[in-house]
Amino acid sequence: GQSLEQPSEVTAVEGAIVQINCTYQTSGFYGLSWYQQHDGGAPTFLSYNALDGLEETGRFSSFLSRSDSYGYLLLQELQMKDSASYFCAVRGRGYAGNNRKLIWGLGTSLAVNP
Amino acid sequence: NAGVTQTPKFRVLKTGQSMTLLCAQDMNHEYMYWYRQDPGMGLRLIHYSVGEGTTAKGEVPDGYNVSRLKKQNFLLGLESAAPSQTSVYFCASSYSVGRNEQFFGPGTRLTVL
Repeated sequence: GQSLEQPSEVTAVEGAIVQINCTYQTSGFYGLSWYQQHDGGAPTFLSYNALDGLEETGRFSSFLSRSDSYGYLLLQELQMKDSASYFCAVRGRGYAGNNRKLIWGLGTSLAVNP
Repeated sequence: NAGVTQTPKFRVLKTGQSMTLLCAQDMNHEYMYWYRQDPGMGLRLIHYSVGEGTTAKGEVPDGYNVSRLKKQNFLLGLESAAPSQTSVYFCASSYSVGRNEQFFGPGTRLTVL
């Protein structure tokens, strides 16, 4: 089957660095994405990796290793407002052979403490 | 631009009642999706559409129907609501499947008693 695994909870302190890992198992692979969702809010797109390596966007970076079926989201200089759930998602070859859907992890709840 | 909007924001139904959730996007996106989100379950795809007049089933389609008569609108219908359909429903849209970037509406919180 197709699945993604990520930790359910992570706790860190303000100013620290935290890494949220995601391992995936899919038939076909068309890129790994990360989304952020605050409590009561909608998911918002953070990043996308189609090729191996690190992509940096401000305080957030995302990494992909296709050979290891693994990626991570790195959050630096943590702020209280970063407390949220973070979801990894991949576009794989779904049932019926199409690749138009995202497969989602169950999310990692990040708590940033003072 | 309003982006993706959803109507209504909240709704309480009794078992057996029907309702329609409306999703509208003003970004001229081809792809539209309906998800439900339950605690600890992440986002589960109900139905999706790859263009006007087309729809397809996602991973949890039972009990729901959809229509995409206009490119900018995607409707989700519950014919006979059940307590198991209590959830937060999100609509999303994307211009293409590249970058895996989907734009989400604010969600509809539905309770079925």
